[in-house]
Amino acid sequence: DVKVTQSSRYLVKRTGEKVFLECVQDMDHENMFWYRQDPGLGLRLIYFSYDVKMKEKGDIPEGYSVSREKKERFSLILESASTNQTSMYLCASSSLDSRVPNEQFFGPGTRLTVL
Amino acid sequence: GQQLNQSPQSMFIQEGEDVSMNCTSSSIFNTWLWYKQDPGEGPVLLIALYKAGELTSNGRLTAQFGITRKDSFLNISASIPSDVGIYFCAGRNSGNTPLVFGKGTRLSVIA
Repeated sequence: DVKVTQSSRYLVKRTGEKVFLECVQDMDHENMFWYRQDPGLGLRLIYFSYDVKMKEKGDIPEGYSVSREKKERFSLILESASTNQTSMYLCASSSLDSRVPNEQFFGPGTRLTVL
Repeated sequence: GQQLNQSPQSMFIQEGEDVSMNCTSSSIFNTWLWYKQDPGEGPVLLIALYKAGELTSNGRLTAQFGITRKDSFLNISASIPSDVGIYFCAGRNSGNTPLVFGKGTRLSVIA
């Protein structure tokens, strides 16, 4: 089974703090994604990566950055957390192998509260 | 960014009833997926559809890939309390592009 893990289920930070959200997948997937989920807005793509050291902006990248130093790990960074970044953050991964369906598999989510 | 129109936004149903929800897009997709998210968890894949007209079942769940390639629906038969959650449709229109998600249908089941 694909397993996507996220470093924290719940996180409380203060405005202005630097925040790291870590995601690790164990299926050797090339693709990794970060979403945020807010009531009534569904899942919105922040950043994604198709390979190590590669990153692409999603629909709402402002205020975020990412790091992909190893294939299995994709980090989301809030350089200076703000209250409007309080949200549920979801990491996902998928395979680039055309021989298998490339559905995205999600982690359990990190609920971040910025005070 | 591109979004799918998913309806209804929420549903309250009695246990045992059948449920139907759908997604539409202004553009063509070549993959449609349906996910379920339990409270406090990440979405889990329910059904994947890869061909126009395809009808696929997973237990009490049935999903179809519309023949126009611009829509999909999900049916749940004989609902039970554990069906409670948010159901998301998702689509992809080419290759390795990221999935586009609907805003979700929140399902509540009254015992």
